[in-house]
Amino acid sequence: DGGITQSPKYLFRKEGQNVTLSCEQNLNHDAMYWYRQDPGQGLRLIYYSQIVNDFQKGDIAEGYSVSREKKESFPLTVTSAQKNPTAFYLCATGTSYSGNTIYFGEGSWLTVV
Amino acid sequence: EDQVTQSPEALRLQEGESSSLNCSYTVSGLRGLFWYRQDPGKGPEFLFTLYSAGEEKEKERLKATLTKKESFLHITAPKPEDSATYLCAVQYSGTYKYIFGTGTRLKVLA
Repeated sequence: DGGITQSPKYLFRKEGQNVTLSCEQNLNHDAMYWYRQDPGQGLRLIYYSQIVNDFQKGDIAEGYSVSREKKESFPLTVTSAQKNPTAFYLCATGTSYSGNTIYFGEGSWLTVV
Repeated sequence: EDQVTQSPEALRLQEGESSSLNCSYTVSGLRGLFWYRQDPGKGPEFLFTLYSAGEEKEKERLKATLTKKESFLHITAPKPEDSATYLCAVQYSGTYKYIFGTGTRLKVLA
């Protein structure tokens, strides 16, 4: 089945812990993105990657880290330095061959307990 | 500063009552404008991509149009299942980044 898979769907983090959100795609898209969504706010870009082994900070990268070792995978680590991590996290992928359209996964809910 | 503004923030319609959602943007070399539908607790679902002023696209009860400064998402004879948040995003030339509006929450009453 083709698409973008995010896991886990729900994740609880204790204070001071790092957690990693997974994003895997089999669409053969070059670009991958991580967004954060909070109530009443638009999607905000955390990190993005256009090619393997390269990524750039978005607008709210502080307290987050990523890697892009494979074309199919773009995991996001929420570190203990992120002071307000409770949010809905969305992974997206795209390519110029899709007319620059980006497509989203189903999202991951992260809650700090 | 590049911005995307959606209006209204929320809209309640009776079933069959047509209306339009607005997405306005500051102009700085538009590369593409995108509409998505988002259901609660789900990722946004792609609807349309528009590239140039005058372009229109349709899908079932939805029609998206684009001018030089704004886009409209027209909903004709909506049904309760059209209830969702509709998001607009813009990509500017020379960037791989997308700027999202805060969305319009649509509720269609039976």
